Amino acid sequence: RKEVEQDPGPFNVPEGATVAFNCTYSNSASQSFFWYRQDCRKEPKLLMSVYSSGNEDGRFTAQLNRASQYISLLIRDSKLSDSATYLCVVSRGSAGNNRKLIWGLGTSLAVNP
Amino acid sequence: EPEVTQTPSHQVTQMGQEVILRCVPISNHLYFYWYRQILGQKVEFLVSFYNNEISEKSEIFDDQFSVERPDGSNFTLKIRSTKLEDSAMYFCATQGIDTQYFGPGTRLTVL
Repeated sequence: RKEVEQDPGPFNVPEGATVAFNCTYSNSASQSFFWYRQDCRKEPKLLMSVYSSGNEDGRFTAQLNRASQYISLLIRDSKLSDSATYLCVVSRGSAGNNRKLIWGLGTSLAVNP
Repeated sequence: EPEVTQTPSHQVTQMGQEVILRCVPISNHLYFYWYRQILGQKVEFLVSFYNNEISEKSEIFDDQFSVERPDGSNFTLKIRSTKLEDSAMYFCATQGIDTQYFGPGTRLTVL
């Protein structure tokens, strides 16, 4: 079983739509949770960290359910520029501040005019 | 805003050759990482590095791979004898307080 699982999509949505991505992780020792965005052939960029209390950043809302080992990302009023691959990422630490990131395959989003 | 830089942006090499990928981390960061992403696949952790030694490495990081920080500035990944399956994007990352910052990557093509 993959450690981080996402629906690969693609999701094709019109501008202005609301779209939701889901992710599950298998290792209960995972400590931190993130959504990254990756444009084609570019480096991943942090979109937002995910907390159990839920967090919002403009049009983006992320939620973590530790009991279900489930992470979600909601994008409201989607823009053409939101077209990208969204990567669900968990981290586990060893000593100190060392954190290894474990990645999902990503969910592809295409926002159409 | 400080950023992680990587060179070269693209490296083409023949199978069996050695390659060195270079990264300049953000200056006050202490933990450094290499990840790779084969085309169409997920990002995979290779190795973490702290205080001039490897903290953790994955199964992928076998004896063909090595890392070092030769001059206190650059952080390098060496692949001793490249294989076709080493073709991938290689990303360097450094750890801030809560977040890892990624370089733009080196695209390695092994022919």
